[in-house]
This record gives sequence, structure tokens and C-alpha cells, in this order.
Amino acid sequence: EVQLVESGGGLIQPGGSLRLSCAVSGFSVSTNYVSWVRQAPGKGLEWVSIIYTSGSTYYADSVKGRLTISRDNSKNTLYLQINSLRAEDTAVYYCVRARITVNDAFDVWGQGTMVTVSS
Amino acid sequence: DIVMTQPPLSSPVTLGQPASISCISSQSLVHSDGNTYLSWLHQRPGQPPRLLIYMVSNRFSGVPDRFSGSGAGTHFTLKISRVEPEDVGVYYCMQATQFPWYTFGQGTKLEIK
Repeated sequence: EVQLVESGGGLIQPGGSLRLSCAVSGFSVSTNYVSWVRQAPGKGLEWVSIIYTSGSTYYADSVKGRLTISRDNSKNTLYLQINSLRAEDTAVYYCVRARITVNDAFDVWGQGTMVTVSS
Repeated sequence: DIVMTQPPLSSPVTLGQPASISCISSQSLVHSDGNTYLSWLHQRPGQPPRLLIYMVSNRFSGVPDRFSGSGAGTHFTLKISRVEPEDVGVYYCMQATQFPWYTFGQGTKLEIK
């Protein structure tokens, strides 16, 4: 079964750091494009980052310089390191898979992990 | 960046009746390869989104055939032929023409009478 399970969220003080994990089953992170999408409470969806099969990474302008996406092929796990956390980073963070080959849509979603930035 | 615009609320619809949701992009979504990368997602309360439609009009695996997508260029529409109770929630359009900088619409809440 294809599944994405996020973890690592929690309550963090402004300025802190956090690493989110996404355990993948049913497909390989090394041969698929996988992304992080976030959703602030009561708000819409915002794409934040993607890692290609080649290892190339891309980020939304709103988070560039503070987020790092990575993967561990041996653990089949995706990560998102978030530094210098701000209140506006408060959101549910979803791990998602881009549709194979075309990468034009997100066809598999995790349940999400909540990150709350507050003092 | 391509901005995707959706109305926040749909027109009120009665169960069993059709519904449509619009999405407008700030620039044409026709890619240089000739394809149009516009997808629709549905999010029920408390759940992650799920993919309904990709490349404007292609239903994703397992999606009921009461859902259909249409449009071209900058104007797109999601239609539900007969609204069911499980269709409640928020519908998002998303463009991937400017891959990898995906952008979503703000979401449209399906309003049931």
C-alpha cells in the first residue's frame, strides 16, 4: 500500500528549528518527485518545496533560505528542516508525491503533521 | 508566479443537483509541450486533500464519474453532476505549468442548501 506518514511536528518557540520526517511505503523516494505542502489553520494550500529524483531541490520564495528538503534513500524517508521559525510557519505540513513521470499533480498525500510556532 | 483565483464559496446547491466551481489563472496554463497542467483537489473537513482531476479533464483513479473538469487557457471549471453528501468540503485548483513552482487557488467551499 502506498502511504506517507509525517512526524516531527509540535510547539516551537519563534527562532527555533525543527525537522519533519515523512516515512514512505509502497514506492521509493529516490525514484519519485516528492514535495512538502503546508496549510495554515483555516487557510488554503501552499507548496513549499520539492526534491527531484536527481536530488535537485526547489523552494517557494516565501521560505527560501530557511527550509531544507532532503531524503534518506536507505530509510525511504523524506525530511524538511525548518530554521528560524516564525509565527507564519504555523501550519499542517503535508508530505506529497507528484504523479509519476509527469509530476503535474499530487496524487498521494500524508495525513500531515502540525507545527505551531508560539512563545 | 502564476496566481490562481477561485471564489471562496460556490453557489448554494441542493443534494442531487449539479454544481460547478470556477478557477482562473493569471496567465495561460498551456505549457510549451502543448499540455495544460491544471488539477483539482478535494479536501473534506479534518482530512488531507485528495486528487480528483489532472491535466484539466482526466479523472484520477477511483474518482466517481460525477466529477468532470473542463476549460482551456486561463479559465477552468470543475463540475459535479449530482452532489452527494460526501462531496462537502473545499475544492482547490492547482497549476503545474510553471513546474516546479506549483500554485494553488484559495479554495472554494461547496455550499449545500
